[in-house]
Order: sequence, then structure tokens, then C-alpha cells
Amino acid sequence: DIVMTQFPESLAVSLGERATINCKSSQNILSSSNNKNYLTWYQQKPGQPPKLLISWASTRESGVPDRFIGSGSGTDFTLTISSLQAEDVAAYYCQQCYTAPLTFGQGTKVEI
Amino acid sequence: QVQLVESGGGVVQPGGSLRLSCAASKFTFSNYAMHWVRQAPGKGLEWVTIISSDGSKKYYTDSVRGRFTISRDNSENTVFLQMNRLRAEDTAVYYCARGPAPMGYYFEYWGQGTLVTVSS
Repeated sequence: DIVMTQFPESLAVSLGERATINCKSSQNILSSSNNKNYLTWYQQKPGQPPKLLISWASTRESGVPDRFIGSGSGTDFTLTISSLQAEDVAAYYCQQCYTAPLTFGQGTKVEI
Repeated sequence: QVQLVESGGGVVQPGGSLRLSCAASKFTFSNYAMHWVRQAPGKGLEWVTIISSDGSKKYYTDSVRGRFTISRDNSENTVFLQMNRLRAEDTAVYYCARGPAPMGYYFEYWGQGTLVTVSS
């Protein structure tokens, strides 16, 4: 199974400041056939289901603000919130979509 | 807007069974893979199972294989999760989620979830 290691577990960031979340996979999840990284990011606010933010490591979903930036390749990935807003308080999860069993990182709680 | 509505959760004794349903609407159900993902209270997300758009392919996480069965009815736009021999560690909110393709491995849309509690 591919193990996803996410860090930090939590972080507190001031409004308007940058938040950086890291995610590391135990295996390369970059496909040589299509040059895509099989890595997605989700946001989960308290009491709500998760919401897809970013697919293919760096492609923002429609309607996701451009302050959410996904980067990385191979085994090391980052989600950056460039200027934290109050509505960004949530847990964030990375997930590898390369092979079953599909696996998530442990999650990162972002607070103000 | 895609809609996914889970039902069937509740309290069940260890060793018991439950059947979850997820009714889908506002998209062509038969074109997409469907997943179940669970979240134990206060914990992170755990993928449970996937079924391909035509129902021919199914995969499970190790901890539920042989106890849980995913199925779908494309004429009724519904996906099911039959859960047998339930254990305390199966206690969680169960979400159904739509994949991005006939056998897509991530989760584009999520339902609100249904709570399963396994307790005596």
C-alpha cells in the first residue's frame, strides 16, 4: 500500500499570512505514461463532508480561489494557501489516486 | 448540481449487518465510478471501496474485504454498501462519493454522510 505522510498535524497562521502543508508518498505517484502526478487535495470544514480542491497535484477545481496552490512531483507535494482567510479554517487532506487501496494523509488542521 | 444522499445508517450490535444506500441525481449515474469513504469520530478519512461505472470492477480496503459488498443499480441511480459482521472499529460516518470517470480514483463530489455506530 502507498503510505501518505502529511505534516504538520496542525498549524496556526495569522490572517493574510501563508500556510504551507506538506504531503509525502511512500512511492512515486508520477505516471511515466502521461506525466501526471496522481495526487489530490481536499478541504473539510467542521461538520461538513470533504470538498475537492486540487487534482493532479496542481489543477484547481472550478470555483476554488487562486490562493490555493498545489505543487510538487514524484513523492513530495505541497498545498499552499497564499493569504489565509477566515473561511479557510479547516482540515486538509492529501490523497493518492495512483492505485488501490486509495490512501489519505492523516490530515492537517489549519487555524487562525 | 450533483446530489448524493446517503441513508441506512444507525446503531447495530457487533456482528450485525447494515445496508447503506446512496441515491444520486443531477448527473448521468451510469458514466461514473462510485466510492464509499468513512471517517471515524474525530479521525481522518479512510477509503473503503470503489465500484466501476458498469459494476464490473470492485476493490476494497483490506479491513473490510470479505465483510462488505458494494453494488449499484444504474436503473435506480443508487449505490449500496452491504456491511456484514460489523465490528466496533467500523463505527464512522460513511460518505458516498463520485469518481471523475468510469473508474476514477479520486472523489469529485461527496454526500453528507450517514453515521454507523457499532456498539452493544
